[in-house]
Amino acid sequence: DVKVTQSSRYLVKRTGEKVFLECVQDMDHENMFWYRQDPGLGLRLIYFSYDVKMKEKGDIPEGYSVSREKKERFSLILESASTNQTSMYLCASSFVFGTQYFGPGTRLLVL
Amino acid sequence: DAKTTQPPSMDCAEGRAANLPCNHSTISGNEYVYWYRQIHSQGPQYIIHGLKNNETNEMASLIITEDRKSSTLILPHATLRDTAVYYCIVRVVNTGTASKLTFGTGTRLQVTL
Repeated sequence: DVKVTQSSRYLVKRTGEKVFLECVQDMDHENMFWYRQDPGLGLRLIYFSYDVKMKEKGDIPEGYSVSREKKERFSLILESASTNQTSMYLCASSFVFGTQYFGPGTRLLVL
Repeated sequence: DAKTTQPPSMDCAEGRAANLPCNHSTISGNEYVYWYRQIHSQGPQYIIHGLKNNETNEMASLIITEDRKSSTLILPHATLRDTAVYYCIVRVVNTGTASKLTFGTGTRLQVTL
């Protein structure tokens, strides 16, 4: 079975803090993705990576950065958290043309 | 990617078949139909996908019309654990970098006793 894990299920941070969200997959997938999900807006792609050290912006990259130093790990970084970044964050991975498999999600609250 | 249209909600009695429709009238020849579901507060779970032939796996069956403008996801014997939001997604599997998934608002399926 494909396993995608995320470092935290729930996270509470203060405005201005630097936040790291970690995602690990165990299927040797080339592609990894970060989405955020908000009520009424569906899933929106923040960034994705198609190889180690390679990344591309998604639809809403502002305020975020990413890091992929190893194939199995993809990190999402909020450089200075703001209240409008309160959301559910979902990581996914896939082979190059394959089905995306999602992690359990991290619900982030920025106060 | 083609837009999809799904009913906002459906009910199904436990043990009966749940038939979830999806319209994708602007689908292109190289676009697949994917189905995911999301149980409350969890990440989306992949169910099934197809191009033009009907597909079946251990979770569900996918019926795609001959003109490919619509499809139906069938859960043959729904249980309470199938209560979730079901998303129909049309996706190009291209030769470039990975294509994103565009989730709409989906169908909220409520399975009842």
